[in-house]
Amino acid sequence: DAGITQSPRHKVTETGTPVTLRCHQTENHRYMYWYRQDPGHGLRLIHYSYGVKDTDKGEVSDGYSVSRSKTEDFLLTLESATSSQTSVYFCAISVGGPTYEQYFGPGTRLTVT
Amino acid sequence: KNQVEQSPQSLIILEGKNCTLQCNYTVSPFSNLRWYKQDTGRGPVSLTIMTFSENTKSNGRYTATLDADTKQSSLHITASQLSDSASYICVVSGDYGQNFVFGPGTRLSVLP
Repeated sequence: DAGITQSPRHKVTETGTPVTLRCHQTENHRYMYWYRQDPGHGLRLIHYSYGVKDTDKGEVSDGYSVSRSKTEDFLLTLESATSSQTSVYFCAISVGGPTYEQYFGPGTRLTVT
Repeated sequence: KNQVEQSPQSLIILEGKNCTLQCNYTVSPFSNLRWYKQDTGRGPVSLTIMTFSENTKSNGRYTATLDADTKQSSLHITASQLSDSASYICVVSGDYGQNFVFGPGTRLSVLP
């Protein structure tokens, strides 16, 4: 699992509240990613980071923001959670660069009621 | 539009049998193609990565093929085991690996 942890693993929140998900890695890899996975869809990229304070948007970034103040932590924030953001969120890292092996965390199941 | 399609959507086979999963893509430019296995409730785990110049790659009982001309890939599983029950996801990467396009997956069930 390349030392990737996600917290929390499960969360239920109400519409309109802010939510922050944390991804932590222990091996100082440069590239980190946030994805969401929904039934009937492949994983979709929300945001990615290529270094401390270097981030960029993915395919489905609306309603999400990220921050990376330390190499080991990549935070995903839902600024005002909506029911459409109910999903399973996966963090991933690339080992050796973006074209190399990608390892995923265990996922966070988020339910917005 | 960059897309990855997989077939079949789901598959049921008996333990010990072989099977082949298909992946067609329209991602351009092309950097590499990956196959992942995802067990229920877990994150995906990489099985193989192939670049443009590779047309076959094996990982134990898993063998992936790539035809970059027709933009097709397959994943062949030999002598299936109950633990092979999972979703298998095809992922195509574009420029510099920053454009990962995931297929919807094939759900494989191996029955005793």
